[in-house]
Amino acid sequence: SAVISQKPSRDICQRGTSLTIQCQVDSQVTMMFWYRQQPGQSLTLIATANQGSEATYESGFVIDKFPISRPNLTFSTLTVSNMSPEDSSIYLCSVEDRGSYNEQFFGPGTRLTVL
Amino acid sequence: AQTVTQSQPEMSVQEAETVTLSCTYDTSESDYYLFWYKQPPSRQMILVIRQEAYKQQNATENRFSVNFQKAAKSFSLKISDSQLGDAAMYFCAWGTNTGNQFYFGTGTSLTVIP
Repeated sequence: SAVISQKPSRDICQRGTSLTIQCQVDSQVTMMFWYRQQPGQSLTLIATANQGSEATYESGFVIDKFPISRPNLTFSTLTVSNMSPEDSSIYLCSVEDRGSYNEQFFGPGTRLTVL
Repeated sequence: AQTVTQSQPEMSVQEAETVTLSCTYDTSESDYYLFWYKQPPSRQMILVIRQEAYKQQNATENRFSVNFQKAAKSFSLKISDSQLGDAAMYFCAWGTNTGNQFYFGTGTSLTVIP
């Protein structure tokens, strides 16, 4: 199973600023995913990031607000831009393990609070 | 569109007893995977158990087992001999066999009573 780390684990940011969240995997993976989990709620997929191509965004999420980079097979970043208090949430990175029934392994998450 | 429904926002169980968490889903695909994930207060999502849709046999993993009813599109999780460490949010999830779509239910918060 893949081991995933995220940085930062938590942050408190001011309205209007941007935060970049890093996701590092201990093995090469094709597909990486970014989710948002608002307090007490389920996970909502923001986008799918494949190495070498533009990220694919889900309805309601746009690249200008959530730009994603995927420079190699073990790393990705998600930027939350021009933040507002509504962006306060937990952001989770996950990877798909094709060798393990397509299950997803999750990072520990980044808890973001926007003041 | 695929949907995953968990109709029990909260459940509780006495320690050492058995509890069943419900999950239904809707899909037009015939080949897919189903998962139960556990998210303790520490928030790290952990896979509990998985089921391949083409397998009729229900998956089991130690104290965890599923009741998979493909025709009814139902995928419930049974936790036997509940332990205090089982207290967590449990999410049911559906995934394609290509891995590029993954949908989560709204979660069930499980409390284990000592």
